[in-house]
Amino acid sequence: GAVVSQHPSRVICKSGTSVKIECRSLDFQATTMFWYRQFPKKSLMLMATSNEGSKATYEQGVEKDKFLINHASLTLSTLTVTSAHPEDSSFYICSATPWGNTEAFFGQGTRLTVV
Amino acid sequence: QKEVEQNSGPLSVPEGAIASLNCTYSDRGSQSFFWYRQYSGKSPELIMSIYSNGDKEDGRFTAQLNKASQYVSLLIRDSQPSDSATYLCAVNIGNQFYFGTGTSLTVIP
Repeated sequence: GAVVSQHPSRVICKSGTSVKIECRSLDFQATTMFWYRQFPKKSLMLMATSNEGSKATYEQGVEKDKFLINHASLTLSTLTVTSAHPEDSSFYICSATPWGNTEAFFGQGTRLTVV
Repeated sequence: QKEVEQNSGPLSVPEGAIASLNCTYSDRGSQSFFWYRQYSGKSPELIMSIYSNGDKEDGRFTAQLNKASQYVSLLIRDSQPSDSATYLCAVNIGNQFYFGTGTSLTVIP
């Protein structure tokens, strides 16, 4: 199957700083990638759809100025959590679907802890 | 509204038994259906995909789809303790995935 790599797997940052998370499709090109957030014992919540070469589409209630998404190439999307606060602590997961495929392939996830 | 509903559980079955997981969806335009397994602290991994009515078997797993009833299920035969995880039902509409809240399964040795 297709491989999606996410980095870092864990990050601890101080409140008020920014954190960048990378999502790469290793063996396919992805014009669209998805960013999810998951709180403990809860399901995946779609945050935004990352579109290569254009602006991301954010779900209702997700602050686009706080969660900056850049999809500069067909294999890389980044999510930057700006001015992080403890309530931003969560598990962030990206996914991508190869062209012509219908299955979502997930990155390993990033555990963000803001202290 | 594109809803995917699952019983949150927890569902407990003894080792060797059949675990049955159920999912309903609201959008009749849904074409592709998936079951993902998620271990605690890990990202989801694909177990099964199903696109047409009926059963699809892969090893110990069987996915069942009934589009008329808007219902998809996953059966796990000969359940093992390593099957203990949260199982997410997902529906693909267009290029977007919609996930259920997941069912927590515990297989008791």
